[in-house]
Amino acid sequence: SQKIEQNSEALNIQEGKTATLTCNYTNYSPAYLQWYRQDPGRGPVFLLLIRENEKEKRKERLKVTFDTTLKQSLFHITASQPADSATYLCALSTTGNQFYFGTGTSLTVIP
Amino acid sequence: DADVTQTPRNRITKTGKRIMLECSQTKGHDRMYWYRQDPGLGLRLIYYSFDVKDINKGEISDGYSVSRQAQAKFSLSLESAIPNQTALYFCATSDLSDSGVYEQYFGPGTRLTVT
Repeated sequence: SQKIEQNSEALNIQEGKTATLTCNYTNYSPAYLQWYRQDPGRGPVFLLLIRENEKEKRKERLKVTFDTTLKQSLFHITASQPADSATYLCALSTTGNQFYFGTGTSLTVIP
Repeated sequence: DADVTQTPRNRITKTGKRIMLECSQTKGHDRMYWYRQDPGLGLRLIYYSFDVKDINKGEISDGYSVSRQAQAKFSLSLESAIPNQTALYFCATSDLSDSGVYEQYFGPGTRLTVT
């Protein structure tokens, strides 16, 4: 079955730096990859989607890359702020109908 | 008002009891989902429904059932709760976005504890 791995250890970075989160997958060939943000005690919130034929997608301070050869997506937050502190989830799908989620990476931005 | 609401928000129940978690949405979306979230395991799909007459099992449907009473309502039932069903449960809806893919909108979650 498919396996989706995200950094299990929490990531701590200084305010203003770029945060980079990783999503790796095996036994899977997703056509779509999404990133969500989840705050404690709340449901995930959609951030970005990238398709298999797209190398990179940007939205404001967010950038996502998708490398189907490496089976990896990188999620970058530039000029990070304490308000960016949250858990970030990646989710993959072959059809765009059902998505399979990773376990998430906790990010803390230190002022 | 929130677009996707879940009731109850917290529930403690005993092993063997039947329990229902309810989800309502005002987004007008056809697609609805139930997930559970466990530490270290992430979000896992229990059931999903693409319209009122369409119900499908997800990864981990054993021990659960669902009912799609209307486009706006999707309920999850635990017929006989057991302690390993203790988890955070999320309802989600989705609709076709401008990007051509179904983005999901999640409710606030129901924290269920089975003792």
